[in-house]
Amino acid sequence: SQTIHQWPATLVQPVGSPLSLECTVEGTSNPNLYWYRQAAGRGLQLLFYSVGIGQISSEVPQNLSASRPQDRQFILSSKKLLLSDSGFYLCAWEGGSNSPLHFGNGTRLTVT
Amino acid sequence: SQQGEEDPQALSIQEGENATMNCSYKTSINNLQWYRQNSGRGLVHLILIRSNEREKHSGRLRVTLDTSKKSSSLLITASRAADTASYFCATARFSGGYNKLIFGAGTRLAVHP
Repeated sequence: SQTIHQWPATLVQPVGSPLSLECTVEGTSNPNLYWYRQAAGRGLQLLFYSVGIGQISSEVPQNLSASRPQDRQFILSSKKLLLSDSGFYLCAWEGGSNSPLHFGNGTRLTVT
Repeated sequence: SQQGEEDPQALSIQEGENATMNCSYKTSINNLQWYRQNSGRGLVHLILIRSNEREKHSGRLRVTLDTSKKSSSLLITASRAADTASYFCATARFSGGYNKLIFGAGTRLAVHP
């Protein structure tokens, strides 16, 4: 069966520090991968999606970047965090058209 | 702006009662999906209904889709305290090789014993 791992679960970082969040998927090949951010009490905002290795598309301009160095690995990064980067970050995968998203357990990021 | 908008924003009911949540959207879709989120956790997929379907069931869940009104509803029958969570609808348009899912702000459901 397929599983998705996302870490760390929580992270507290000072403003200006770098960020690296990692997501890996097991049990499937060539998944579409997604990074979402959720503000407190709100819906999800799509940040990045990837349909293959090295193929990254951004939905909104921001202080973050994403990379997909391997088929089932998706990384969210920042060189210098801002206070506004705080939030709940969720990685997800899906197998194609008319397939649901499968989410990781998320990373709670607090930038201080 | 968000494609899917749920209402109500919050719903409080007693165990055994039914809970109905609604979702409206603005543009054409390939499918509409409902997800559940327990506090501080990732989202869990509940039901996917395609644009050519009108109703789907899964256990105590019933989803309807009216594409002419651009709306959907999620009904949870015989609710339990364990159903307490936030529920999100998401509209999907498949384009460029991926599913562009737009999520609403969610309905917070509280089921009291």
